[in-house]
Amino acid sequence: GNSVTQMEGPVTLSEEAFLTINCTYTATGYPSLFWYVQYPGEGLQLLLKATKADDKGSNKGFEATYRKETTSFHLEKGSVQVSDSAVYFCALWPGNTGKLIFGQGTTLQVKP
Amino acid sequence: DTAVSQTPKYLVTQMGNDKSIKCEQNLGHDTMYWYKQDSKKFLKIMFSYNNKELIINETVPNRFSPKSPDKAHLNLHINSLELGDSAVYFCASRAPQTGELFFGEGSRLTVL
Repeated sequence: GNSVTQMEGPVTLSEEAFLTINCTYTATGYPSLFWYVQYPGEGLQLLLKATKADDKGSNKGFEATYRKETTSFHLEKGSVQVSDSAVYFCALWPGNTGKLIFGQGTTLQVKP
Repeated sequence: DTAVSQTPKYLVTQMGNDKSIKCEQNLGHDTMYWYKQDSKKFLKIMFSYNNKELIINETVPNRFSPKSPDKAHLNLHINSLELGDSAVYFCASRAPQTGELFFGEGSRLTVL
């Protein structure tokens, strides 16, 4: 079946540190991959996406590359800010089935 | 102009009561969802409707009954509320070609 596994949180970093949040997936076919972000007290919003192998999604300084050979979609940012503190969700859409599959979420806390 | 809006944002009620949450989207999408987010931020899909028809029902107790009067609205009614129903409930709609979900801001239900 299809599944998404993210690294356990919480992740605590100092401002300007480098961020990596690992995400690996299991899927049949060629899914689309997403990162969503949930700021405190808000709903989820799309951060970036990639629809095929080797695509790189990027937004707000965050990047993730769709790696089919390692079935991964790790989220990275070169220099985090306090305002990046949020919960990050990796997700997979197999297409057609209508069900977006989420990882368990990773809480990021950035300290000044 | 909010794309996916849900009301109310907060509900506090006693065990055994019945409550409803309403959701509306103005994106013209055919597919809508209800998700439940627990205190550990884990997202669990509950229901999905496509153009007013139920397409996903993820082993949710019968006390939960979704209703979709038209494709822009998906409401959730909960009977005989229990302590374990306390959570944040998110409505979402899905873009048909990309699979991207657009979320409402959530409705925080507290059962006392």
